[in-house]
Amino acid sequence: GEDVEQSLFLSVREGDSSVINCTYTDSSSTYLYWYKQEPGAGLQLLTYIFSNMDMKQDQRLTVLLNKKDKHLSLRIADTQTGDSAIYFCAEKRGGYGGATNKLIFGTGTLLAVQP
Amino acid sequence: GAVVSQHPSRVICKSGTSVKIECRSLDFQATTMFWYRQFPKKSLMLMATSNEGSKATYEQGVEKDKFLINHASLTLSTLTVTSAHPEDSSFYICSARDPQGLEQYFGPGTRLTVT
Repeated sequence: GEDVEQSLFLSVREGDSSVINCTYTDSSSTYLYWYKQEPGAGLQLLTYIFSNMDMKQDQRLTVLLNKKDKHLSLRIADTQTGDSAIYFCAEKRGGYGGATNKLIFGTGTLLAVQP
Repeated sequence: GAVVSQHPSRVICKSGTSVKIECRSLDFQATTMFWYRQFPKKSLMLMATSNEGSKATYEQGVEKDKFLINHASLTLSTLTVTSAHPEDSSFYICSARDPQGLEQYFGPGTRLTVT
């Protein structure tokens, strides 16, 4: 189908690692993104990965991409209460920098960090 | 990262009136901007792609006569919700694509409530 799927909710304790999963649909997607949204706010780009990469690490964030299974994950190490938010994955469809390319967002995962 | 602003951040209007929302890219020229709609606890739904100097491209199911988009300059796109009804109440978010076409920078969103 057209949907980019995520689990709805994840609860972790402060200091633990969080893993948020995403299943996307278009095998030709060029870039995959992770965004963070805090209550009542817009989206903040956290990181992205090019489709020919398997893994990307950026400080506490690690992105894993399994292109064969169209599965993307975001791991947050040493999760803090300030990480509590909704996390969206997104796939870019429509080719490299083309005029028609656009982002299709996942359903969002609410991450709750318990102190 | 780049800054995208939206104005107003919150608006309440009466049913039947029209409301204009502005989206500005403050530190780069954006030939392409996007308008999204987000329902409570839901993902972002792409409404339309706004191209500077040309007509917007609307997603399937989005009424172009109801959601008027104007992208008259490289730093400003506007969304006008015409003859608003309570079902148009939502969180509207814009984004601007950087000149390299790699990233989208999101505005903080506009909360529209139609009474």
